[in-house]
Amino acid sequence: EVQLLESGGGSVQPGGSLRLSCAASGFTFSTYWMHWVRQAPGKGLVWVSRITSDVNVTNYADSVKGRFTISRDNAKNTLYLQMNSLRAEDTAVYYCARGFSSGADLWGRGTLVTVSS
Amino acid sequence: QSALTQPRSVSGSPGQSVTISCTGTSSDVGGYNYVSWYQQHPGKAPKLMIYVVTQRPSGVPDRFSGSKSGNTASLTISGLRAEDEADYYCCSFAGSNILVFGGGTKLTVL
Repeated sequence: EVQLLESGGGSVQPGGSLRLSCAASGFTFSTYWMHWVRQAPGKGLVWVSRITSDVNVTNYADSVKGRFTISRDNAKNTLYLQMNSLRAEDTAVYYCARGFSSGADLWGRGTLVTVSS
Repeated sequence: QSALTQPRSVSGSPGQSVTISCTGTSSDVGGYNYVSWYQQHPGKAPKLMIYVVTQRPSGVPDRFSGSKSGNTASLTISGLRAEDEADYYCCSFAGSNILVFGGGTKLTVL
C-alpha cells in the first residue's frame, strides 16, 4: 500500500527539541521531493519545508528557518524533521507529504507536537 | 510568505455549484501555473483535488474544476453533494522553491 506514516510527535517544553520521522512505503521514495506541512489546532495548513529527491536541496518557511532541519535517508525510505528551539507557536499537527507538480499528492495522517511549559 | 486569501466560508444546497476564490500576488498565484487545491475533512489528512491550476488527479470527480485569472485562482464544485462538506485550501508555488497555502474555506452543504 502506498502510504506515509509520521512518528516522533509529543509534548516538549519551550526551547526543547524533537525529531519527527516519516516512513514511506509502496512507492519509490528516492525519486520524490518531500514536504513537511503543519496545522495548528483549529487553524489552516502552513508549509514548513521541502527537500529534493537526491541532491538534498532544502528550503524552509521563514518562521522555522535556522531552527528546523529537514533531511532524508533514501536507503531507509524515511524523511525527517529535526526541530530545535521550539516555541509555543510551533504547536501543531505535522504532516509529511509527497511532492507532485509543486503540490503534494500523498499525505500522512500527521503527528501532533505540543510545545508547552 | 504571506498566506493566500480565501473566504472563510461558503455554502450551497445539494445540486448547486459553489466557487471558492484564492487571491495572491504576482509573486505567487499570478506568477506561476502551480496552484493546487486540497480537501480536508475534520480529523483527516488533506487530499489533493486539483493541481497545476486545472488538472484533476485520478479518482477526483469531474464536478471539481480549477481556473485562474491574474492573481486569483478558483475552485468550482458543481452538483454539490453532502460529502463535499469540508475545508478547502489553495496552495501556490511562490518562487525560490517556497510554497504558500491559503487560510482555508469551510464549505457547508445546506
